[in-house]
Amino acid sequence: DTAVSQTPKYLVTQMGNDKSIKCEQNLGHDTMYWYKQDSKKFLKIMFSYNNKELIINETVPNRFSPKSPDKAHLNLHINSLELGDSAVYFCASSQVSGFSYEQYFGPGTRLTVT
Amino acid sequence: DAKTTQPTSMDCAEGRAANLPCNHSTISGNEYVYWYRQIHSQGPQYIIHGLKNNETNEMASLIITEDRKSSTLILPHATLRDTAVYYCIVRPVYSGNTGKLIFGQGTTLQVKP
Repeated sequence: DTAVSQTPKYLVTQMGNDKSIKCEQNLGHDTMYWYKQDSKKFLKIMFSYNNKELIINETVPNRFSPKSPDKAHLNLHINSLELGDSAVYFCASSQVSGFSYEQYFGPGTRLTVT
Repeated sequence: DAKTTQPTSMDCAEGRAANLPCNHSTISGNEYVYWYRQIHSQGPQYIIHGLKNNETNEMASLIITEDRKSSTLILPHATLRDTAVYYCIVRPVYSGNTGKLIFGQGTTLQVKP
């Protein structure tokens, strides 16, 4: 069983399009995250949801809109895609309330904007 | 969160111990040391964490100096599958309900046959 899954694994699209990436965790965790890894391989947090409430928004353009329909799902919708959005997007989850903060990451979604 | 400093890259012979250092000289008393790794084309993977005592699990050992200003991750018998980027991260024991991780550049460990 995959703990944190993402779909799709690869996404190739043109500038200006709107696309979504989905994430699901079956670990029963209360917090989910989106990270972006750019071409220089730096991993940076974008958003975090705790019990479906947005708690971190790291100065990400408002073209990016996360949505958490329930604790097990965190989706990322991107409007008007730009070349600079090309990156690998990782979803992660953790159980924050236990003070452990061990995060489990998904396999990533490689987004290519042409 | 405290800043960490790691060597950019390291090599290790297969079967030997890999010792990955991390400097966190500005760490405060309420901050844990975490280690994650990222194997090529995969998501980061949690390895181990500690506060002030040395820790060991099935993957690795974590040695934290007495003054807590540095630590070493030890992979006792490195295999080719341990080739990855290793990240040392320092974060508070409790940071509200965020739990976010701040990744640095990490150390690229190349295990060679």
